[in-house]
Amino acid sequence: EVQLLESGGGLVQPGGSLRLSCAASGFTFSSYAMSWVRQAPGKGLEWVSSISGSGGGTYYADSVRGRFTISRDISKNTLYLQMNSLRAEDTAVYYCAGHNCGGNCYSGFDSWGQGTLVTVSS
Amino acid sequence: DVVMTQSPLSLPVTLGQPASISCRSSQSLVYSDGITYLNWFHQRPGQSPRRLIYKVSNRDSGVPDRFSGSGSGTDFTLKISRVEAEDVGVYYCMQATRWPLTFGGGTKVEIK
Repeated sequence: EVQLLESGGGLVQPGGSLRLSCAASGFTFSSYAMSWVRQAPGKGLEWVSSISGSGGGTYYADSVRGRFTISRDISKNTLYLQMNSLRAEDTAVYYCAGHNCGGNCYSGFDSWGQGTLVTVSS
Repeated sequence: DVVMTQSPLSLPVTLGQPASISCRSSQSLVYSDGITYLNWFHQRPGQSPRRLIYKVSNRDSGVPDRFSGSGSGTDFTLKISRVEAEDVGVYYCMQATRWPLTFGGGTKVEIK
């Protein structure tokens, strides 16, 4: 069974940094492209970033490009999202999602974690 | 960017009655391989989203057959043939044909 478990959320001041982790199990991690999706309080879903199975391909939403970095450690079966220069508008629940359709396929979103809350506030 | 527009925003339904949600994209979602990467998700309050439908009309494992997806090009529909209490929540369409990936704004389904 595919399991995704996010961690690393919390309260951070504007301009600060945070690193989210997503521990994966139940599948061959390097075979899945992965993504981060966020949801601001009371709002809809927003795609943030995606990474290929090998880690060689990365994609970002304009709203986070240059501030966020997605990466993965295949030896640890873990996906990361390094978030720098955080803003109030980055406040959201951050979900990791997996794509069971090949390492360079980003359309799956067939598995989701439970989410981790990031609050950016002074 | 591809804008995904869902309607209605809110959908009160009677148990046992059908429901239909529309999703329109600002550009064709047909990829160069001929496949349309349009997904539907359901999110219950306090829970993570769950994929229901992928590539327009393919139902995920464990999804009841009262759910069906249809459409082509820029116009898509999610139908529930007979709404049950567990179907409440917010439904989102999402396109994965073009970067950036984009979601519709959501349709909240509630029981009358």
